[in-house]
Amino acid sequence: AQSVTQLDSQVPVFEEAPVELRCNYSSSVSVYLFWYVQYPNQGLQLLLKYLSGSTLVESINGFEAEFNKSQTSFHLRKPSVHISDTAEYFCAVIHAGGSYIPTFGRGTSLIVHP
Amino acid sequence: GAVVSQHPSWVICKSGTSVKIECRSLDFQATTMFWYRQFPKQSLMLMATSNEGSKATYEQGVEKDKFLINHASLTLSTLTVTSAHPEDSSFYICSARGDRDDGYTFGSGTRLTVV
Repeated sequence: AQSVTQLDSQVPVFEEAPVELRCNYSSSVSVYLFWYVQYPNQGLQLLLKYLSGSTLVESINGFEAEFNKSQTSFHLRKPSVHISDTAEYFCAVIHAGGSYIPTFGRGTSLIVHP
Repeated sequence: GAVVSQHPSWVICKSGTSVKIECRSLDFQATTMFWYRQFPKQSLMLMATSNEGSKATYEQGVEKDKFLINHASLTLSTLTVTSAHPEDSSFYICSARGDRDDGYTFGSGTRLTVV
């Protein structure tokens, strides 16, 4: 069975500081990995995804995540955060070759302080 | 890009009444749609998976007769909360998958408050 662990429920950080949101998964087969962002009272928006190829994937707003197969991780990073990055971030995994239903982590609340 | 429209964005209803939430894929055909429920400060809980033209598959613990799902076309799925009670108050989110295994698009969610 696949599972996703987001180790931090809340990450407070000052504006312009770097941030890393951690995500680890468990699966015995190939996976697709995703990061979603959710602003208050809104649905989820895809931030970035890893399907295959380069292990480093980037989003258009400065976030990046690196797929590390040996450590079964897909941590999300940003070198300099903005107030507007304050949101809930969800990591998700799809078990390739299975039902293709994503499993979500519990979410990490990123709080950016001025 | 793929867009999923979910309506209404919020609704308040009286206890005992039914509420219908719509989820539409605007620019692609959704072979599969998912309905989630989200409690405050928590992750998404998958309620059911629906495929066009067939009965929905409900997750364990989700009452089929209470949460009616209809996926009548490749672009529309509806969730009806029947005889709603205050404990049904929650944030409901739909997502749709097109013909690619990696493509999931989420609706903007519906905040249901039952009074």
